[in-house]
Amino acid sequence: NAGVIQTPRHKVTGKGQEATLWCEPISGHSAVFWYRQTIVQGLEFLTYFRNQAPIDDSGMPKERFSAQMPNQSHSTLKIQSTQPQDSAVYLCASSLVLGGQGTGQLYFGEGSKLTVL
Amino acid sequence: TQTVSQSDAHVTVFEGDSVELRCNYSYGGSIYLSWYIQHHGHGLQFLLKYYSGNPVVQGVNGFEAEFSKSDSSFHLRKASVHWSDSAVYFCAVRASSGSWQLIFGSGTQLTVMP
Repeated sequence: NAGVIQTPRHKVTGKGQEATLWCEPISGHSAVFWYRQTIVQGLEFLTYFRNQAPIDDSGMPKERFSAQMPNQSHSTLKIQSTQPQDSAVYLCASSLVLGGQGTGQLYFGEGSKLTVL
Repeated sequence: TQTVSQSDAHVTVFEGDSVELRCNYSYGGSIYLSWYIQHHGHGLQFLLKYYSGNPVVQGVNGFEAEFSKSDSSFHLRKASVHWSDSAVYFCAVRASSGSWQLIFGSGTQLTVMP
């Protein structure tokens, strides 16, 4: 089991450019979560999917951020017109779903560190 | 609204010492509580969780945590720490119904001195 795979591990982009981050959840895990981590704000929930459907995107900035899960093996987080304040580590996690209930146990990837210059 | 408070930003102990990392939560309903560990430059790893039953739960690497409804707490303990336990520890809460998002505390940096 390779765990949750996130690519790229590091991305440097210029202000105004687009950044796309990829996540491959653990096979068989049907819940996928995205978090953002910064020193100042800590761990912030962004969004999650269940069986590829978006369930809760209450943490997503309303503009410029979007997330998709086109199939059960990967999810993407896209940031348009990146700004320096978007610099953070973006963490993806997946979770097993048993009997329609999440287990409350998340498996995290190593994260994608985004730096916007 | 759920909140999680980790009052100690930094804890320093010596190898072989016992340690307790504190976590207090605020939520009126039924919840999952959990602890995660994050080594520098890596993602978070699950340590243990509580939902119901025995308020003392055992986790990996000798960690345990005790749930207290009266104190709204879920403190993490280890009887004898090793230098490799140096990391940031996060407490998290999730409502048992509704959104599955975990709300994390601000983290406690544990440093184990040789």
